[in-house]
Amino acid sequence: GQQLNQSPQSMFIQEGEDVSMNCTSSSIFNTWLWYKQEPGEGPVLLIALYKAGELTSNGRLTAQFGITRKDSFLNISASIPSDVGIYFCAGPSGGSNYKLTFGKGTLLTVNP
Amino acid sequence: DTAVSQTPKYLVTQMGNDKSIKCEQNLGHDTMYWYKQDSKKFLKIMFSYNNKELIINETVPNRFSPKSPDKAHLNLHINSLELGDSAVYFCASSRQQEPQHFGDGTRLSIL
Repeated sequence: GQQLNQSPQSMFIQEGEDVSMNCTSSSIFNTWLWYKQEPGEGPVLLIALYKAGELTSNGRLTAQFGITRKDSFLNISASIPSDVGIYFCAGPSGGSNYKLTFGKGTLLTVNP
Repeated sequence: DTAVSQTPKYLVTQMGNDKSIKCEQNLGHDTMYWYKQDSKKFLKIMFSYNNKELIINETVPNRFSPKSPDKAHLNLHINSLELGDSAVYFCASSRQQEPQHFGDGTRLSIL
């Protein structure tokens, strides 16, 4: 089946630093989703991307849908302690948005 | 006013038992899902129902049986629980193929 390679696996940063993570797919996606999961909670949608080249922001978060349609990037600017969590990329498997494939996640730790 | 709510939040039980997890959404969505998150945090879809009809049924042991009494509810029954069933199970919902909204999970531990 389709696989999503998400990197880095984990990041340890100082408060105030910018963060960048990415996701690559073995096949073309028509949608890219970025979720954040905090301890003891379910994933929460951060940003949804629907068009190649699209750049979308949500506060300090910015995500881009790669031109090749096989990758996506998520950037967090001026990180704060509450940014801590696992960030997942996700995309439709077999072209159906009902069936999402998730990356393995990037664990972000922010030192105050 | 929780959007996707699952019960129970924690479930500790012995191997061989049968248990159920319930999920309800008040978002007016027509599609609901069950995911399994393993100890390495990998999320994998198990089942999906659209308007009470099963549309996704991944390679899951038939000890797992979903049931959708109406569009707002999707329950998961598990028979003869095994050690490997220990995981966090997430319910999610969506309007058609729009992004999915997740519940807070049920942490299942098998003794």
